[in-house]
Amino acid sequence: ETGVTQSPTHLIKTRGQQVTLRCSSQSGHNTVSWYQQALGQGPQFIFQYYREEENGRGNFPPRFSGLQFPNYSSELNVNALELDDSALYLCASSTQDRSYEQYFGPGTRLTVT
Amino acid sequence: QKEVEQNSGPLSVPEGAIASLNCTYSDRGSQSFFWYRQYSGKSPELIMSIYSNGDKEDGRFTAQLNKASQYVSLLIRDSQPSDSATYLCAVNQAGTALIFGKGTTLSVSS
Repeated sequence: ETGVTQSPTHLIKTRGQQVTLRCSSQSGHNTVSWYQQALGQGPQFIFQYYREEENGRGNFPPRFSGLQFPNYSSELNVNALELDDSALYLCASSTQDRSYEQYFGPGTRLTVT
Repeated sequence: QKEVEQNSGPLSVPEGAIASLNCTYSDRGSQSFFWYRQYSGKSPELIMSIYSNGDKEDGRFTAQLNKASQYVSLLIRDSQPSDSATYLCAVNQAGTALIFGKGTTLSVSS
């Protein structure tokens, strides 16, 4: 069984730039959720994708957007990066009938300078 | 505002002792409860899930849920230095999102 994978592992961007983070779900899983984890905090829900559509969104501005592809992989896009966007970005996969039981990938550490 | 509260710690226990981690949540409609373990610099790992009142045991871990008191706990028996990590409590209200606490840091000394 293949676990959740994410790329890249680390990324450094400048304020105002745009970034795309990628996630491949665990085999057998069709739902992908994205979270942002700032240092010393718990993960915060950004959004979830199922059947290539957004299936729920947390309190994040529209410059955070996403996609899901037919193979259930997903992208998180962040436009107009701000310093506060520096965080660990986590992708979690699940099945739709147990969408609350989420398994995390290794994360992408984003630093905005 | 749905909230999940945890004592940030650190909680320090000697090797072989029982570690007790606690979590309270504000939303009475919450239905699913989870404990994740997160080692420094790594991503959260799901270690326990509980859905009904009472205890659930898995190896050295026991999760306890009391919906009336809006309280979830995790007991780790025979604590090992390898258990040293941050433990995150997460709650789901039959929606899509998991709401996480800030985590409790556990330190097990040998």
